[in-house]
Amino acid sequence: AQTVTQSQPEMSVQEAETVTLSCTYDTSENNYYLFWYKQPPSRQMILVIRQEAYKQQNATENRFSVNFQKAAKSFSLKISDSQLGDTAMYFCAFMLGNAGKSTFGDGTTLTVKP
Amino acid sequence: NAGVTQTPKFQVLKTGQSMTLQCAQDMNHEYMSWYRQDPGMGLRLIHYSVGAGITDQGEVPNGYNVSRSTTEDFPLRLLSAAPSQTSVYFCASRSQGGHQPQHFGDGTRLSIL
Repeated sequence: AQTVTQSQPEMSVQEAETVTLSCTYDTSENNYYLFWYKQPPSRQMILVIRQEAYKQQNATENRFSVNFQKAAKSFSLKISDSQLGDTAMYFCAFMLGNAGKSTFGDGTTLTVKP
Repeated sequence: NAGVTQTPKFQVLKTGQSMTLQCAQDMNHEYMSWYRQDPGMGLRLIHYSVGAGITDQGEVPNGYNVSRSTTEDFPLRLLSAAPSQTSVYFCASRSQGGHQPQHFGDGTRLSIL
């Protein structure tokens, strides 16, 4: 079974600064996908960024980028120029190949301070 | 295009009662899942489906039943509610293709007294 670990339950960052959220996973498979989701206080789950394991290039979406280290089974999220609206809980998620299910980490609560 | 719709948004039950949480999606997605989120924790998979007529158990299936008679609907049934089932429940759907993300409903906050 796959596991996802987010070792930072809570983090804070000053507005306009950069913050990195950690995620490690465990799998013996080679074909998988990784995602970061954001859950603001509204409770909605919103996709932030995704990475295909077969791609070496790190995914980037505007201020959000990942550092994907396949050998180390690490998938960290970097948020640049943090904004107050980035305050949320962030979940790392793993999905095998074309499986119908995902495994989620326990989340990191990020607070952006003015 | 409403996405994933969950009803109700809030529900209070007494121990032993049964109820069904509704989930419907209008995106013609093959895959649907139910998760529960306990306070301060991540999402744990209850049941999932890869297509109409096909369901499978997730990580925490006990006390819950599902069925998938149509592509659009994936109801979750609590058979005999227990206080341990107090949680926020999320339904999600996605299309085939490993890179496709999950689309989530807004959740149902369920309290069992």
